[in-house]
Amino acid sequence: KAGVTQTPRYLIKTRGQQVTLSCSPISGHRSVSWYQQTPGQGLQFLFEYFSETQRNKGNFPGRFSGRQFSNSRSEMNVSTLELGDSALYLCASSLGTFTDTQYFGPGTRLTVL
Amino acid sequence: KNQVEQSPQSLIILEGKNCTLQCNYTVSPFSNLRWYKQDTGRGPVSLTIMTFSENTKSNGRYTATLDADTKQSSLHITASQLSDSASYICVVSAQTGTYKYIFGTGTRLKVLA
Repeated sequence: KAGVTQTPRYLIKTRGQQVTLSCSPISGHRSVSWYQQTPGQGLQFLFEYFSETQRNKGNFPGRFSGRQFSNSRSEMNVSTLELGDSALYLCASSLGTFTDTQYFGPGTRLTVL
Repeated sequence: KNQVEQSPQSLIILEGKNCTLQCNYTVSPFSNLRWYKQDTGRGPVSLTIMTFSENTKSNGRYTATLDADTKQSSLHITASQLSDSASYICVVSAQTGTYKYIFGTGTRLKVLA
């Protein structure tokens, strides 16, 4: 069974640009969650999508948005990039209940210059 | 304020030795507690998930305990191996209508030959 895949793996952008990251969950998984990981703040929850609907949301500004498609693939968009958005962005998929195991992808390393 | 604190921040042990990592939380209302292992440059891997009613859960050489009264959890690693060198992250979930994930900052474990 293929694992969670994320594209691209590495990305360099400049301040003010926008970026879209993609996540393909494990086949059969309906929930996709996104996380930001930085050395200073550690792991932080961005949002979760289940059956194309945002089910949970963390405390991030509206510049961070996402969506999920009917095949459960998900995208995350960050607009008007700031230097502080440089981070490893991880997505995780699960079957969908709150006690299911989450399987993480390898992450997308975003650098904002 | 919802918080998860892990100790120690870092730990060095010799191969074959046992060790215990701690996680204290002030999260309410508690839903579940997860332990993850994260190798450098990779996404976290789930070790255990425990709900309120569970006080011990094992996954191979990893055993997690939960004391919901004192709001403490521990992760015990038996007969450590070089491959156990990683960061170990404790995550506590709270459910208040929506779902919140509160992450600890992790314990960095290094196992020496």
